[in-house]
Amino acid sequence: GQQLNQSPQSMFIQEGEDVSMNCTSSSIFNTWLWYKQDPGEGPVLLIALYKAGELTSNGRLTAQFGITRKDSFLNISASIPSDVGIYFCAGQRNTDKLIFGTGTRLQVFP
Amino acid sequence: NAGVTQTPKFQVLKTGQSMTLQCAQDMNHNSMYWYRQDPGMGLRLIYYSASEGTTDKGEVPNGYNVSRLNKREFSLRLESAAPSQTSVYFCASMKGTTTNEKLFFGSGTQLSVL
Repeated sequence: GQQLNQSPQSMFIQEGEDVSMNCTSSSIFNTWLWYKQDPGEGPVLLIALYKAGELTSNGRLTAQFGITRKDSFLNISASIPSDVGIYFCAGQRNTDKLIFGTGTRLQVFP
Repeated sequence: NAGVTQTPKFQVLKTGQSMTLQCAQDMNHNSMYWYRQDPGMGLRLIYYSASEGTTDKGEVPNGYNVSRLNKREFSLRLESAAPSQTSVYFCASMKGTTTNEKLFFGSGTQLSVL
């Protein structure tokens, strides 16, 4: 089955730094979602995007729905230790089931 | 309000053994899902149930069976476990079937098959 490619696979950054990650697909999506998974827990929705070019923020997190509808981006500003976890993108075409990305593992050092 | 509850949290099986992973939600959601998470692979859908009494295959259903016991509960069964089924399993639920942004996940079951 199709999967979404996320990059980078992992990031090791210092507290206070900004983070950028992206997700790409060979297919067009109507919805892009970003989830965060804390260690030992299930994913939790961070941001949902529904329109090409849409830019949405949730606190220090900002996500964008790519113009081509084949990609999406997530930025975290001024990272803190609790940002540690795995970030997943997910895309949906029409009423198809969600397709998840391969994940970006983020480690933040104080 | 517990949300989505999965049991057990951890399980070790020998090849060929069977077991059932339990999932219950208390949010009166209609649809429920089972995913597996493997390193570098993201989350892959095993089976889902759009409503009580219905079940459908997802992307990777081979080796699994499911039962939607009632609106609250959706179990995943491994009849004859194989090492390739070593994974972290997540149950999820949502109110409808098309508004995927409302997907709520359980905390996962870590399964090792030796």
